Amino acid sequence: DSGVTQTPKHLITATGQRVTLRCSPRSGDLSVYWYQQSLDQGLQFLIQYYNGEERAKGNILERFSAQQFPDLHSELNLSSLELGDSALYFCASSVGTSGNEQFFGPGTRLTVL
Amino acid sequence: GIQVEQSPPDLILQEGANSTLRCNFSDSVNNLQWFHQNPWGQLINLFYIPSGTKQNGRLSATTVATERYSLLYISSSQTTDSGVYFCAGNNYGQNFVFGPGTRLSVLP
Repeated sequence: DSGVTQTPKHLITATGQRVTLRCSPRSGDLSVYWYQQSLDQGLQFLIQYYNGEERAKGNILERFSAQQFPDLHSELNLSSLELGDSALYFCASSVGTSGNEQFFGPGTRLTVL
Repeated sequence: GIQVEQSPPDLILQEGANSTLRCNFSDSVNNLQWFHQNPWGQLINLFYIPSGTKQNGRLSATTVATERYSLLYISSSQTTDSGVYFCAGNNYGQNFVFGPGTRLSVLP
């Protein structure tokens, strides 16, 4: 158990819908990262927050957004869902902003029908 | 950004065999990690190893930072070692990049 929690474990929804994925980092970690793992794209970095502020952006679509709250948990919002958004979404956390070991949550498996 | 290559892409072993997985980076990194993704999709941290050598049971890893590669050794493999092994890394201010993975199947 990495200490990073993610909910829900599974999510099935329809095209055009909006969903919210939730992540709680390890105790003491200030950075939260979101990753998407799809069959054709592999594991890709989406976005990072550090102590409530956006710190880095990767290949995140405009339909996706995230935020980190004062208690350091984070939410990833996915809207206008398409079939291609079906993937495993991981959250990770680390103590600092860069160069620190990242610990991954169990993931949320999103299926868009 | 950094490019990460992993070899071999697939590996099939008999239980008890040893193996070496390789990870090459296109540029220097100050953060390098190895992960095991099990058949249930969980990503498990194996090593945080930006340089040097570490050992944990039957697994060990070596990173030669000056030559931008890392090796993961698995000895006396077991069926529970099956899954996909990823390396990933970044340098300061850069995004964390994963390699494509090595899919390992250990047969009983």
